Amino acid sequence: GAVVSQHPSWVICKSGTSVKIECRSLDFQATTMFWYRQFPKQSLMLMATSNEGSKATYEQGVEKDKFLINHASLTLSTLTVTSAHPEDSSFYICSASKGFTGALTDTQYFGPGTRLTVL
Amino acid sequence: EDQVTQSPEALRLQEGESSSLNCSYTVSGLRGLFWYRQDPGKGPEFLFTLYSAGEEKEKERLKATLTKKESFLHITAPKPEDSATYLCAPGSNSGYALNFGKGTSLLVTP
Repeated sequence: GAVVSQHPSWVICKSGTSVKIECRSLDFQATTMFWYRQFPKQSLMLMATSNEGSKATYEQGVEKDKFLINHASLTLSTLTVTSAHPEDSSFYICSASKGFTGALTDTQYFGPGTRLTVL
Repeated sequence: EDQVTQSPEALRLQEGESSSLNCSYTVSGLRGLFWYRQDPGKGPEFLFTLYSAGEEKEKERLKATLTKKESFLHITAPKPEDSATYLCAPGSNSGYALNFGKGTSLLVTP
């Protein structure tokens, strides 16, 4: 159990275009979803946290208008990179958790990632 | 401010040569210490969660332990398929998010 999918697995786009990445929890309902980006040989950097039906919370330094996050249902979150530029090229990974379980942090289950290349 | 440091950054082992990976953390109110494995070009795969000092968990050749300041991932008689980057991440009172360490890149050679 606890399977998370992402689509697409890789995408190449031209500078100035927008790209949408989908993240789905396949066998559980995800109260909270997270979006990370990862540069080569570096660790995961949290971009934003989203809860179903509410606005995402962005980390400091992440542009809200550039990285649009929608968490429309308990199984789907989308990240749209608007007006993408070469510096946005990265590996984007989503994760999903069942929720904040009282005083304990819930386990995050990760998707396989999306490789974005902006030309 | 929550901090997490993993060591060593890279580790090369011969098949069958046991070792340990370290994760040192400073957080405001630990709410779980998570270990993940990440293969190149893939998302992290969940391994363990530890919630209290003294707790241990095992899975095949891996055993994770936790103290109030550190967690160790012990690898016993590793095989080449254990080669990956191992990430630790403490959860804290700061919120839902996990603060990931930079990871230890493990290479096990035949």
